[in-house]
Amino acid sequence: AQSVAQPEDQVNVAEGNPLTVKCTYSVSGNPYLFWYVQYPNRGLQFLLKYITGDNLVKGSYGFEAEFNKSQTSFHLKKPSALVSDSALYFCAVRAAGGFKTIFGAGTRLFVKA
Amino acid sequence: DTEVTQTPKHLVMGMTNKKSLKCEQHMGHRAMYWYKQKAKKPPELMFVYSYEKLSINESVPSRFSPECPNSSLLNLHLHALQPEDSALYLCASSQEGVSGNTIYFGEGSWLTVV
Repeated sequence: AQSVAQPEDQVNVAEGNPLTVKCTYSVSGNPYLFWYVQYPNRGLQFLLKYITGDNLVKGSYGFEAEFNKSQTSFHLKKPSALVSDSALYFCAVRAAGGFKTIFGAGTRLFVKA
Repeated sequence: DTEVTQTPKHLVMGMTNKKSLKCEQHMGHRAMYWYKQKAKKPPELMFVYSYEKLSINESVPSRFSPECPNSSLLNLHLHALQPEDSALYLCASSQEGVSGNTIYFGEGSWLTVV
């Protein structure tokens, strides 16, 4: 069975500071890992994904994520947060060859001006 | 902007009504999905279609009936729903046969059952 954990319900950061949103996963075999962002009353927007290769993945809007196989983690990062980054962030995992993408509970990011 | 289009954006229906949610994509994707999302919760998978055939039904009640008329369209027929079915219904699509294929979501249809 596959699962995703986002240990923080909310992350607060000041504008201009670096941000990290944490994600750990459990899956049989090689994982495909994703980050999505959801703004109020909107659908989910794809940010980035890890399939294979470099552990540091770069995505949209200046976000990046680091895959750590030994710690089964895929934390989302951004060097300098913007107020407009405030949203709900979902980590997701899918086993290679599977259809089911499982989402974490979500982490609300609040960036204060 | 999303390339997965959902209609209607908002729907209010009574418990005895029959209505449908519609989804369309023109990205050439051959896998399409319905997810249900409650407020401040993650999306929950309901159905997956692959090449217009239903491949996954996550034990969804029969009052929800999916249909995939062709590779670009996905419908969700609703009948005799309950108030607890009120939620955001998200349609999504992805390529087939591609490793690590990304799921792209529509903006969703807000359903309220009264």
